[in-house]
Amino acid sequence: AQSVTQLGSHVSVSEGALVLLRCNYSSSVPPYLFWYVQYPNQGLQLLLKYTTGATLVKGINGFEAEFKKSETSFHLTKPSAHMSDAAEYFCAVSEGVGGGSQGNLIFGKGTKLSVKP
Amino acid sequence: EAGVVQSPRYKIIEKKQPVAFWCNPISGHNTLYWYRQNLGQGPELLIRYENEEAVDDSQLPKDRFSAERLKGVDSTLKIQPAELGDSAVYLCASSWGGGGIRETQYFGPGTRLLVL
Repeated sequence: AQSVTQLGSHVSVSEGALVLLRCNYSSSVPPYLFWYVQYPNQGLQLLLKYTTGATLVKGINGFEAEFKKSETSFHLTKPSAHMSDAAEYFCAVSEGVGGGSQGNLIFGKGTKLSVKP
Repeated sequence: EAGVVQSPRYKIIEKKQPVAFWCNPISGHNTLYWYRQNLGQGPELLIRYENEEAVDDSQLPKDRFSAERLKGVDSTLKIQPAELGDSAVYLCASSWGGGGIRETQYFGPGTRLLVL
């Protein structure tokens, strides 16, 4: 069964600093991986996703993530943090091929990003 | 284009009372999901519909939870009776359908339930 581990429930960076949010997955089949962002009192919004092809995926708001099969990782990065990036970020893996659960998302516990001025 | 609409946004009830949540997915989306998000956790799937058929309800606590999507469009999730542990945010999401594991799910703002 697939699972997702997000290292660090809370990350704090200064404005302009590098953002690095870690995500490791477990999957017995080629994974499809997603990063979602959740602002306070809002639903989740897709930042980016990896399905096949290029392992470096670019998303909205300057975020990108790299799929590393050997490390079973899909870490999210942004070169320069902005105050508006403060939110909670969720990594998710899509359940594998076949069966009624195909396409269901398995989420990590989330990482809350704080940005200091 | 309107996003996923959910109502109410907030609900406070006493334990043992019933409660219902409503979701209207993005127009044309055939797949609809209900998730529960406990405080400090990621969302967990409760039920998934393909059109009006519940194709995965394995995580739905069927003794007290029920859901319906009668015409394959909007959906209602009900809890009866509610327990203290049901306090959470209930999220609805939708996707085009048929794309399986590649598909992007679009989430509504959620209903925040507090059971006293």
